[in-house]
Amino acid sequence: AQSVTQLDSQVPVFEEAPVELRCNYSSSVSVYLFWYVQYPNQGLQLLLKYLSGSTLVKGINGFEAEFNKSQTSFHLRKPSVHISDTAEYFCAVSDSGSARQLTFGSGTQLTVLP
Amino acid sequence: KAGVTQTPRYLIKTRGQQVTLSCSPISGHRSVSWYQQTPGQGLQFLFEYFSETQRNKGNFPGRFSGRQFSNSRSEMNVSTLELGDSALYLCASSPGTGGGVETQYFGPGTRLLVL
Repeated sequence: AQSVTQLDSQVPVFEEAPVELRCNYSSSVSVYLFWYVQYPNQGLQLLLKYLSGSTLVKGINGFEAEFNKSQTSFHLRKPSVHISDTAEYFCAVSDSGSARQLTFGSGTQLTVLP
Repeated sequence: KAGVTQTPRYLIKTRGQQVTLSCSPISGHRSVSWYQQTPGQGLQFLFEYFSETQRNKGNFPGRFSGRQFSNSRSEMNVSTLELGDSALYLCASSPGTGGGVETQYFGPGTRLLVL
């Protein structure tokens, strides 16, 4: 079984400051990792994904994440946030055995303050 | 390409009733998965359909069921609604034919309120 832990339920940050949203996972097999963003009253939008290869993954809207196998982490970062980045962010994991079944973390609400 | 569409977007039902939600995947996608999102339990996998067959199932009671049509559109049904079924129901589609992991693309969801 796999699980995902998002260590911070809420992250307030000032506009133009850097941000890191933390995600740790547990799995007994090789995993694939995703970050999704959810804006109010909307569905989930894929930010980025790690399937294999380079451990530094770049996504949309200036976000990036680093896969760290030894620490079982996949933290999301952005060097300078904007008000429009205010949303809930979900880390998710799947494996080759359940390729279309995502296990989600509990989410991190990012609030960007002016 | 048009994205994943879900209808209706909002729904109000009373306890004991049943409800059917619809999902149209991205054109060419043959796999449709359903998720339930609640404040208490977060996002949880319900089931996945591919080629009109349920391929994967989460840990939900039998009141939750689904089906998929030959055009890949999917419906989800919940019978004997309970207050705890109030949630945002999200549908996601992917090609479904790859041997490994596939990126899932989500629709806007159907918000169900059970009174």
